[in-house]
Amino acid sequence: AQKVTQAQTEISVVEKEDVTLDCVYETRDTTYYLFWYKQPPSGELVFLIRRNSFDEQNEISGRYSWNFQKSTSSFNFTITASQVVDSAVYFCALSEASGGGADGLTFGKGTHLIIQP
Amino acid sequence: ETGVTQSPTHLIKTRGQQVTLRCSSQSGHNTVSWYQQALGQGPQFIFQYYREEENGRGNFPPRFSGLQFPNYSSELNVNALELDDSALYLCASSPVPNSGNTIYFGEGSWLTVV
Repeated sequence: AQKVTQAQTEISVVEKEDVTLDCVYETRDTTYYLFWYKQPPSGELVFLIRRNSFDEQNEISGRYSWNFQKSTSSFNFTITASQVVDSAVYFCALSEASGGGADGLTFGKGTHLIIQP
Repeated sequence: ETGVTQSPTHLIKTRGQQVTLRCSSQSGHNTVSWYQQALGQGPQFIFQYYREEENGRGNFPPRFSGLQFPNYSSELNVNALELDDSALYLCASSPVPNSGNTIYFGEGSWLTVV
């Protein structure tokens, strides 16, 4: 069965520090998709990135970067030079291709990131 | 702005009652899914509808049911409410039920059962 683990329940850093959010996943599928979402206090889940299992290239988008390593089943997310507006709960999620999209996303429990001014 | 809107934003119900939550998907998105997010937890998949038929379901009892309409709107109905049903209910839409599609979420409906 698929599973996503975000071991860090809460992280607190001072503004401008770099911070990495960990995500470890389990799946039997060879084709799968990984996602990161941001959830501010309003509740809406904001899409950040999607990665398929065949694309192990790291990705950078502004201050955000993602490190996908199939060998360790990890898909970690780094924020460089953090800002107060980055404060939110961040979720890692997994979707298996064998479900054809009908099994929904499996989410981790989330990491609450607090950026202190 | 994801184009997914939900109503109501907050509501309080009594145990044993029934509730209907509503969602309006992005235009052109034929797939809608619903998630339940308890406090301090990640969202959990309830079910998914594609072209007005349920085509996937998570580990939720039959008292959780849904409807999808041709105008990209949908409903989540929960009967015989229990205290543990208190949660944020998230609606999400995507063009088709493909596991690789990006799924766009609304802001959710906060349900409190007392």
